[in-house]
Amino acid sequence: GAVVSQHPSRVICKSGTSVKIECRSLDFQATTMFWYRQFPKKSLMLMATSNEGSKATYEQGVEKDKFLINHASLTLSTLTVTSAHPEDSSFYICSALPDITRFYYNEQFFGPGTRLTVL
Amino acid sequence: DQQVKQNSPSLSVQEGRISILNCDYTNSMFDYFLWYKKYPAEGPTFLISISSIKDKNEDGRFTVFLNKSAKHLSLHIVPSQPGDSAVYFCASSPSQGGSEKLVFGKGTKLTVNP
Repeated sequence: GAVVSQHPSRVICKSGTSVKIECRSLDFQATTMFWYRQFPKKSLMLMATSNEGSKATYEQGVEKDKFLINHASLTLSTLTVTSAHPEDSSFYICSALPDITRFYYNEQFFGPGTRLTVL
Repeated sequence: DQQVKQNSPSLSVQEGRISILNCDYTNSMFDYFLWYKKYPAEGPTFLISISSIKDKNEDGRFTVFLNKSAKHLSLHIVPSQPGDSAVYFCASSPSQGGSEKLVFGKGTKLTVNP
């Protein structure tokens, strides 16, 4: 199956610093990637849709200046949490939609997630 | 307004028995449905999907049933194994193809007891 990696898997940072999370599709190209956030015992909350070569589309209530998304290539999207605060602590998960099958099957492949803890 | 609902937060079954996980949706535009399995501290993994033109799709021990008139789908796991213990998310999309975003339910935690 299609493999998506995330780096780092776990990060602890001080309040006020910025943290960058990378999402890579390892064996396929993905024009579209998605960023989710999961709170404990809650569902996956879609934060934004990342498209290569264009600006990300943010969901309602998600601050685009706080969560910067850059889809630099067909295999890489990055999420930067700027000026992180303790309330940003969460599990961030990305997913990717393979270009080769996207028009036939809307199946997203997920990365393993990144646990962010802001002290 | 939650468009995809998984009303049972947890389910416990005995090994070898059938596990039935339920999901309801409200948006009649949804046309494609997926089930994902998630272990703690990991990303979800795709299990099985079904298009609205079908009412059943089977893959090994996993079968998904769709009742479009009732806006209800279910995932059957037979026989259940301890390794199936995980959180199962139901997801829906307006179309089978394309880059539409998925709408997820809150998940059901399945525990299969040896």
